[in-house]
Amino acid sequence: NAGVTQTPKFQVLKTGQSMTLQCAQDMNHEYMSWYRQDPGMGLRLIHYSVGAGITDQGEVPNGYNVSRSTTEDFPLRLLSAAPSQTSVYFCASSYRDRGDGYTFGSGTRLTVV
Amino acid sequence: AQSVTQPDIHITVSEGASLELRCNYSYGATPYLFWYVQSPGQGLQLLLKYFSGDTLVQGIKGFEAEFKRSQSSFNLRKPSVHWSDAAEYFCAVVRGYKLSFGAGTTVTVRA
Repeated sequence: NAGVTQTPKFQVLKTGQSMTLQCAQDMNHEYMSWYRQDPGMGLRLIHYSVGAGITDQGEVPNGYNVSRSTTEDFPLRLLSAAPSQTSVYFCASSYRDRGDGYTFGSGTRLTVV
Repeated sequence: AQSVTQPDIHITVSEGASLELRCNYSYGATPYLFWYVQSPGQGLQLLLKYFSGDTLVQGIKGFEAEFKRSQSSFNLRKPSVHWSDAAEYFCAVVRGYKLSFGAGTTVTVRA
């Protein structure tokens, strides 16, 4: 099934650990992005990419790194996890013209203890 | 700077009653506007979108939204709510490639 796939679905980290959240899409979308969702704050943009090799920061980029080596994949790296990064993370993608809207993955629930 | 405001944090509605969720945006030009729905523990599903043209747009699950430039609003409506419509609803605005969300409105449906 075409769509956005996120792994893992759940993760518990200790403070200071690093990890990578994976995001892959098979729709040949040029645009990909990462959001975090916290209660009462909606979804906030962390990083985004408009194509392979091109990334940029969103509203809340601190503590996160991204790269886009292929059109399909857009991993999000936490270099040194902090309790403030406990959240639900969503990956989204769209065509460049955004005509079909944005397709979201099912999310990764991350807890940092 | 653009922002999206959803004034209602929580709405309770009876099954079969009508529903209206408010969304206001601040943006100089006509933006791309979306409504998404999120069921508990799930991802976000696109309900409808507005780019240009007819200001009344139809979406999935019987929802519609009306774009009013003069009021900078994009309110979501449904004439008759079903219990399965209980969820969180997000209004979103695109500027460039950045999709900005409102804080969301939680809808509870009572029997």
